Amino acid sequence: EAQVTQNPRYLITVTGKKLTVTCSQNMNHEYMSWYRQDPGLGLRQIYYSMNVEVTDKGDVPEGYKVSRKEKRNFPLILESPSPNQTSLYFCASALSQGFSEQYFGPGTRLTVT
Amino acid sequence: QQPVQSPQAVILREGEDAVINCSSSKALYSVHWYRQKHGEAPVFLMILLKGGEQKGHEKISASFNEKKQQSSLYLTASQLSYSGTYFCGTEILKGGSEKLVFGKGTKLTVNP
Repeated sequence: EAQVTQNPRYLITVTGKKLTVTCSQNMNHEYMSWYRQDPGLGLRQIYYSMNVEVTDKGDVPEGYKVSRKEKRNFPLILESPSPNQTSLYFCASALSQGFSEQYFGPGTRLTVT
Repeated sequence: QQPVQSPQAVILREGEDAVINCSSSKALYSVHWYRQKHGEAPVFLMILLKGGEQKGHEKISASFNEKKQQSSLYLTASQLSYSGTYFCGTEILKGGSEKLVFGKGTKLTVNP
């Protein structure tokens, strides 16, 4: 089954404790992206990757890192999480950035205390 | 540079029609529409490219007016299953590359 998987689905952590949210897709998609969703603000892009080893900042990249060492994986790293990073995070993949349907993962709800 | 969606929320009775608008101040290459049900991930509905085309998906259709930099989503004879938040994503040129930027969403509630 074609899908985007994220782990963990739920995470409660403390300020400053490094964490990684994994994202994997099995559709051989070139493009992958991370979004955060906050009430009333819609989906805001954090980082995206056009292909392996190619990543770029989205609209809200501060406090996040990503890497794309393999085509299927695109982990999101929070080196020193802060409470303002409490949010719902979605990973998405697509054949390409433009003119292409994005497939979203199930989401990761992160709480930073 | 998020696109502006209107209305922010709409409540319908089953069988009624609705229109959701998406406007951008930037030149658009394409407009994407997604629906997100409560507690779930967004799901793709359709993409509209430059050229003012209109596309359909079940009883949901959309148009793209390139001149007005606006897209509209039409929901006809709404069903309970149409409830959710609808997001438009506009593809714009930013920093020398094309980027997809989503609006804040329109919450649609369909009641029996």
